[in-house]
Amino acid sequence: KQEVTQIPAALSVPEGENLVLNCSFTDSAIYNLQWFRQDPGKGLTSLLLIQSSQREQTSGRLNASLDKSSGRSTLYIAASQPGDSATYLCAGRGGGLDSSYKLIFGSGTRLLVRP
Amino acid sequence: GAGVSQSPSNKVTEKGKDVELRCDPISGHTALYWYRQSLGQGLEFLIYFQGNSAPDKSGLPSDRFSAERTGGSVSTLTIQRTQQEDSAVYLCASSMNSFYEQYFGPGTRLTVT
Repeated sequence: KQEVTQIPAALSVPEGENLVLNCSFTDSAIYNLQWFRQDPGKGLTSLLLIQSSQREQTSGRLNASLDKSSGRSTLYIAASQPGDSATYLCAGRGGGLDSSYKLIFGSGTRLLVRP
Repeated sequence: GAGVSQSPSNKVTEKGKDVELRCDPISGHTALYWYRQSLGQGLEFLIYFQGNSAPDKSGLPSDRFSAERTGGSVSTLTIQRTQQEDSAVYLCASSMNSFYEQYFGPGTRLTVT
């Protein structure tokens, strides 16, 4: 059964700092991994999707990596801005045919970027 | 449509009443999912639709919960005889098919008093 863990639970950094959010998963037969952003009282915005055959994906100041062998994914945010303040969630999709559609979520990292 | 939409955005109901939550997926997306986000449990999967069929209902917490999808589009999640522990944000997502990226709606915040 896939379990997803995110560390740290909360992070506060000054504006301009580069930062790394961590996500670990227990089942290496992962189909893909998706990073989301959630603003208070809002739904989830998809940031990056990494397929199991890929090692990283980039979008603007965001870079996500996937290491299946170690069961880890990281989200790197370059030159952080106050507008990046939000909760970041990672979600893994299992590799079994009967669970490949279901996203298993971590508990999230609450990020605050201070001006 | 431009994105996944859900209605209502907020719903306050009295314990014991029935509620219906609606999800309009992105046009052309065959797969639709319901998730629940509550303070103590985080984000948990409820049910998955492929077309109008629900191959996996394993996440529904009790038989008070049911969902249907018609015309391969709109889905309704129904909670009967609501309880206070049903209070949560109910999120709907859709994808082109079950292997593709999931796009989420803004959610319905349900409060049972």
